[in-house]
Amino acid sequence: KNEVEQSPQNLTAQEGEFITINCSYSVGISALHWLQQHPGGGIVSLFMLSSGKKKHGRLIATINIQEKHSSLHITASHPRDSAVYICAVPLLFTGNQFYFGTGTSLTVIP
Amino acid sequence: NAGVTQTPKFRVLKTGQSMTLLCAQDMNHEYMYWYRQDPGMGLRLIHYSVGEGTTAKGEVPDGYNVSRLKKQNFLLGLESAAPSQTSVYFCASSPGGSYSPLHFGNGTRLTVT
Repeated sequence: KNEVEQSPQNLTAQEGEFITINCSYSVGISALHWLQQHPGGGIVSLFMLSSGKKKHGRLIATINIQEKHSSLHITASHPRDSAVYICAVPLLFTGNQFYFGTGTSLTVIP
Repeated sequence: NAGVTQTPKFRVLKTGQSMTLLCAQDMNHEYMYWYRQDPGMGLRLIHYSVGEGTTAKGEVPDGYNVSRLKKQNFLLGLESAAPSQTSVYFCASSPGGSYSPLHFGNGTRLTVT
């Protein structure tokens, strides 16, 4: 049973393309996190959102709490965006334990 | 500001050997976590701590022990390594709560032969 499902698992895009990565979850949540894992292995937090939309540079994250779905969009993709993108949701009423998706591996070709 | 520092970065062990992974954070975070990452699986929680002197089991705690004697350090121990513990281990810290971002270390790649 996977509480967090991401799609697609792998994605290859040409530089400049608009990219969408999806995350669906089955548990009640208060917030959702998007993480980026670089090819070297390091993981950084991109967004935390509990409603609506957030934008940071070329990255946009949206969430629909009623539909239990979030999307991460990358506009004007670039080879440096190549990474694994991971969706994470915290367990309700704990705040300190998370369910993680298996990640979406993105490759942007020049 | 170093953030979260993990040592070592790589390690090869033989079955039955022991080792300790060290995680240090300089952000005064209350919450610290140890995760393992295996191919095709999401990050899985091994143990976590909600403050100095406290620890709790996560999803996959068997074969591991932890200690948090100082707020800034969280140690993960393997008393008798097994090939099933071959994985990439990540430490993370957080101020706490669902709305707080996780700060990760760079990972430790452990191979048990």
